Amino acid sequence: EVQLLESGGGLVQRGGSLRLSCAASGFTFINYAMMWVRQAPGRAPEWVSVISGTGTSIYYADSVKGRFTISRDDPRSTLHLQLTGLRVEDTAIYYCAKMASVAARFEHIDFWGRGTLVAVS
Amino acid sequence: QSALTQPASVSGSPGQSITISCAGTSSDIGAYNYVSWHQHHPGKAPKVIIYDVTYRSSGISSRFLGSKSGNTASLAISGLQPEDEADYYCSSYRDGSTYVFGTGTTVTVL
Repeated sequence: EVQLLESGGGLVQRGGSLRLSCAASGFTFINYAMMWVRQAPGRAPEWVSVISGTGTSIYYADSVKGRFTISRDDPRSTLHLQLTGLRVEDTAIYYCAKMASVAARFEHIDFWGRGTLVAVS
Repeated sequence: QSALTQPASVSGSPGQSITISCAGTSSDIGAYNYVSWHQHHPGKAPKVIIYDVTYRSSGISSRFLGSKSGNTASLAISGLQPEDEADYYCSSYRDGSTYVFGTGTTVTVL
């Protein structure tokens, strides 16, 4: 059974940093691209970043480019998102999602985690 | 990064059929067959119900049907059931190696 468990969220001051993690299980982690999606209260979900299964292809939304860094720890089957220079508008639930193949582009999500809340004051 | 446009709410009685629209552009829905639909019950993990415009995820009822015409995708739910009450979001691949989500639709079963 596929499981994605996010952690690392919390309350942080403007300009601060956080590191989110997503522990994956139930599938061969290196074979799949992974994505971060966030949803602010009362807003539509917003795609944040995606990384290919090989880790060689990485893409970011313009709103986070230069401030957030996605990475993966394949031996530990864990996805990370380093958040720096946090702004009030970064407040959201951050979801980890598994893609349907190793590719970061031209693909779709096939499984979501339950999310972790990041609040920036 | 503008979101895809969905109606804020759609409602129907048990057994009825409803349709949710998702309006995009020639850079996303109109250009690619990578439209997905996600069902989200508050407090739970979202679930992918439709991918690649028309394909149902494993275990998803045939009451859910996805389609696309031009720059607009649609999700039809037939035989509405109480458990269908949830938030629904469309998503699409977009030019420039990005992804975009819809504004979301709350489905209410009367």
